[in-house]
Formats: sequence, C-alpha cells, structure tokens
Amino acid sequence: QVSLVESGGGVVRPGRSLRLSCSASGFSLTSYGMHWVRQAPGLGPEWVAVMSFDGSVKYYADSVLGRFAISRDISRSTVFLQMNNLRRDDTALYYCAKSLWGFQPPFDSWGQGTQVIVTS
Amino acid sequence: DIVMTQSPATLSVSPGERVTLSCRASQSVRNYLAWYQQKPGQAPKLLLYGVTTRATGVPARFSGSGSGTDFTLSISSLQSEDFAVYYCQQYSTWPPRTTFGGGTKVDVK
Repeated sequence: QVSLVESGGGVVRPGRSLRLSCSASGFSLTSYGMHWVRQAPGLGPEWVAVMSFDGSVKYYADSVLGRFAISRDISRSTVFLQMNNLRRDDTALYYCAKSLWGFQPPFDSWGQGTQVIVTS
Repeated sequence: DIVMTQSPATLSVSPGERVTLSCRASQSVRNYLAWYQQKPGQAPKLLLYGVTTRATGVPARFSGSGSGTDFTLSISSLQSEDFAVYYCQQYSTWPPRTTFGGGTKVDVK
C-alpha cells in the first residue's frame, strides 16, 4: 500500500530557509516521478517541482526557480524540498505526490501535507 | 503556462441529481486532462485521467468527456459522499508544467 508522509513545515520569517521531507513506502522511488505541489487557502493546487524516477531530471515552477531544490535519499526512501529565500507568497500547504506512471502527472497518491507559513 | 478555468465556482445540488462541471484550457491540452476530488482537510484524490479513464476504485457514476480545450466531469447521481471541491489538471506540456483549475465546489442545496 502506497503511503507518503510529509514533514518539516513550520513558521519562518521571510528570507529564511526550510527543508521539507516526504517519506515514501509501498513503492520504489526509482520507478516513479515524484512531485511537490502546494496549495494556498481557498485556491487550487500549484505544481512546484518534479524529480524523474532515475533522479537525473528536475524541473521547477517559475515561481520557485533558483530558490527551491528537490532531491532524494534512496536509502531512506525520502524526497526532500529545500526552500531558500522564502517569501510570504510561499505560504501554503505543501504536498508530495507520486506520478501514476513515469514522470508526468497525473498524481495517483498524495501525502497529507505539511504547512509552511512565511511571516515576519 | 496554460490557464485552466473551471465553472461554475460553486454548484448547489441535491443528492440524486446529475451534476456537470466544466473546465476550459487557454490552449489545447489534447487529451492530457485529469480530474481530482478534494474534501475538507484531505489531499486531492485522482478521479479521472486521460479525460475519460477512471482511476482505481472510482465509481462508475463519475465520467469525463471533451477534447482540446473544453472538458466536462459528470456525476450521474450525486451521493452524499460526493460533496467536495473538484479540480481539473492539464499535463500536456513539456517540460512538465502542469496546471490546475481554480476548482468547483459542489455543496448541498
């Protein structure tokens, strides 16, 4: 049974950093693309970043390019999102999500999310 | 980025009614269109992908149609557990820059 559990969110001041973690079980990270998606209150989800199943390809939304970085630790079956130079508009619930197949959406499994609040 | 526009924003219906939700893309997404259901305090749940293919375990009362820029999610007979927010998602672009619509909330009339 597939399970995704996010952690690492919190309250942080603008300009600071956070690292989110997504612990995966029930499947291999080497077989599926993994994504980070965020959702601000009352809005639709916003795609943030993707890492390919072999870890060689990473893409980012324009809104986070140069500030966020996706990575993984296969031995711990964990995907990370390093978020630097955080801004108020990064405030959202951050989900990790698994591709149904390959690299692209759709996302057939999501975690429960971890809240990030950027405020001074 | 491709902009996804959903209508209406809110739909008030009674259990047992047929429901039709709309999603329009700012340019053709071919058949790379998915629908998700989200209940309060939960993550989105995949309902349909490739416009018409139901995800594992999704009841047959959910169906999708459309192509190019205009898509529809239909629920043949709304059940109490179907009250939720529904989002469409396009995934036609490369490099991957998937985008979601703003959602349609289906609530009780």
